[in-house]
Amino acid sequence: GENVEQHPSTLSVQEGDSAVIKCTYSDSASNYFPWYKQELGKRPQLIIDIRSNVGEKKDQRIAVTLNKTAKHFSLHITETQPEDSAVYFCAARGSGWGKFQFGAGTQVVVTP
Amino acid sequence: GAGVSQSPSNKVTEKGKDVELRCDPISGHTALYWYRQSLGQGLEFLIYFQGNSAPDKSGLPSDRFSAERTGGSVSTLTIQRTQQEDSAVYLCASSPDRFNEKLFFGSGTQLSVL
Repeated sequence: GENVEQHPSTLSVQEGDSAVIKCTYSDSASNYFPWYKQELGKRPQLIIDIRSNVGEKKDQRIAVTLNKTAKHFSLHITETQPEDSAVYFCAARGSGWGKFQFGAGTQVVVTP
Repeated sequence: GAGVSQSPSNKVTEKGKDVELRCDPISGHTALYWYRQSLGQGLEFLIYFQGNSAPDKSGLPSDRFSAERTGGSVSTLTIQRTQQEDSAVYLCASSPDRFNEKLFFGSGTQLSVL
């Protein structure tokens, strides 16, 4: 089955700097890769996703890149702000519908 | 509109007891998921329902765990003979259908097994 590894587990950045979180997956048949943000005490919420037929997707200050050959994908946050502080989870969905495998999460702390 | 609703929000039980966790998905969403989140860990897939299809139960950790979805809406996750290692937050999510895969999560049930 699919296995997703996520790094780093914690990330501390100064406000205004960029943050990058990387994930690798094992199932070459995986074709959908969402990212979820979970603020303290709240439920996870989708922030961006990418499908395997696209190499990069951007939405304002966040972007996701996908390298199918290397089986890894990354989340990029530019011009970080204190409200970006949260736990970020990557996920991969293999060829079977519905079964998402999540990474262990990255705690991002943005210091003013 | 109303989001995904889970109950109870907190459940404390004694080892060996059975528990039932409930999930009300967003109206009209045909896909429903259960995940488990242990402290400091990622989300562990448990089970997936899609419409009237047979559920994908491949993530259930043991035969003490079961789930059903009645009438294509409300779902119940049952844990029999609870163990301390079952302590976690149980998250339910729904999505519109198998093609629109944005997961809308509930606020979870915090299960504590003493």
